[in-house]
Amino acid sequence: DAGVTQSPTHLIKTRGQQVTLRCSPKSGHDTVSWYQQALGQGPQFIFQYYEEEERQRGNFPDRFSGHQFPNYSSELNVNALLLGDSALYLCASSFGTSGGNTIYFGEGSWLTVV
Amino acid sequence: AQSVTQLDSHVSVSEGTPVLLRCNYSSSYSPSLFWYVQHPNKGLQLLLKYTSAATLVKGINGFEAEFKKSETSFHLTKPSAHMSDAAEYFCVVSDPRASGSARQLTFGSGTQLTVLP
Repeated sequence: DAGVTQSPTHLIKTRGQQVTLRCSPKSGHDTVSWYQQALGQGPQFIFQYYEEEERQRGNFPDRFSGHQFPNYSSELNVNALLLGDSALYLCASSFGTSGGNTIYFGEGSWLTVV
Repeated sequence: AQSVTQLDSHVSVSEGTPVLLRCNYSSSYSPSLFWYVQHPNKGLQLLLKYTSAATLVKGINGFEAEFKKSETSFHLTKPSAHMSDAAEYFCVVSDPRASGSARQLTFGSGTQLTVLP
C-alpha cells in the first residue's frame, strides 16, 4: 500500500516564475492538506481540500492556489515566486471527518527559488 | 485558537540514557495531540497520537507520551536513547471537534534531538 507520494522531489525555479507541485494521497484517503516548512521551522498550514473544494486556508497569499481531482489527488500552484517561497512543501492526507483520524505525510517537494 | 510550545529547541543525550522532549499546548477544547519525527531530508513520520482515550500513549520505536490536562502538557519520553533517534521532533495539536474539512494541524517549532555516542 503506497503512502502519500509527492512529485517532484526537488526543483529550482527563478523568481517570478510559477510552480506546480503534485500529491497522491494514501490509498483510501479523501482529504489532502498542504504545508510549507521553511528551513529550521515547523510546517505551516497552507490549505486543505475535501470533495474537490478548498475547505480551509491558512495565512498564505492568493499566489498560493490548489486543486483536488476526482481521484483525490491534488496540486499546489504558486505564482510569481519570491525568494521567500523557498521551502519544503509537504502534502498530508487523511480519511473522513473524525478529528482523531491519523494524518499521513509525504516526503515533500523541495523548492528553491533563485 | 490552538497553539503548541516546545520548550527546548535542542536536546542532547548520551546513547542509552532517557529522552525527555517537552511540549505544552493551548486549546479551547480537549485536543488531539500528536508527536511527529522528521529525519534529515525526510518527510514527517507519526510517532504517536492522543485522542481522548488513555492518557499514557505508546508509540513506535519505544517512545511514549503522557497527556496531563491539569498541566496542559504532552511530553515525549523514551527510556533509552539510540543513535537512530537523532532527528527533529514536532509536537502537534488539532481540534478533534472539527470536521475533516476544517481539521488543520498546528505544529510546534520543533526540538532537535542529538544522541551522543
